[in-house]
Amino acid sequence: AQSVTQPDIHITVSEGASLELRCNYSYGATPYLFWYVQSPGQGLQLLLKYFSGDTLVQGIKGFEAEFKRSQSSFNLRKPSVHWSDAAEYFCAVGAINSGTYKYIFGTGTRLKVLA
Amino acid sequence: EAQVTQNPRYLITVTGKKLTVTCSQNMNHEYMSWYRQDPGLGLRQIYYSMNVEVTDKGDVPEGYKVSRKEKRNFPLILESPSPNQTSLYFCASSPSGPSYNSPLHFGNGTRLTVT
Repeated sequence: AQSVTQPDIHITVSEGASLELRCNYSYGATPYLFWYVQSPGQGLQLLLKYFSGDTLVQGIKGFEAEFKRSQSSFNLRKPSVHWSDAAEYFCAVGAINSGTYKYIFGTGTRLKVLA
Repeated sequence: EAQVTQNPRYLITVTGKKLTVTCSQNMNHEYMSWYRQDPGLGLRQIYYSMNVEVTDKGDVPEGYKVSRKEKRNFPLILESPSPNQTSLYFCASSPSGPSYNSPLHFGNGTRLTVT
């Protein structure tokens, strides 16, 4: 069955430090991969997406993600975190399987940024 | 402005009293979906629709109904709400279902409390 795992429930970093949020997926075919961010009281906003091609993809707000097929991972990174990046981050897979069409989300990673 | 609109934002009700949460999108998207978000569980898909009159169960459909009579609207119906349906609900849409160029666009959420 398809699934998405985000191993870190909470991450705390200092402002200006680098960030990496982990995402592992389970999917039989090449997946459609997405990262979303949810600010408090808001809906989810798309940060970036991947399907094929260059395995390092750039997104909005200075975020990037790297696809590693051998590790079934799609980790999100940012070189220098800003206080406004404090939010919850969700990794998702777009899955088509046996006539079903689903977007499957991980459980999320809540990011806290220290001033 | 392209958007997914959910109403109401907040809803408090009692066990067994039927309710409907509305969702409308103005982007002519074919795919629409409902999710519930619970702490530690991430977003779980309730129902989705690939087009008018085409709906299918997600991962947690019990206790919910949906309909897709028009392309833009996808209401979520709780015929007899129970306290375990207390949650944050999101409606989302995408141009054509899971694919690279079809990420989900989210509404701002409906926080439902069932007492």
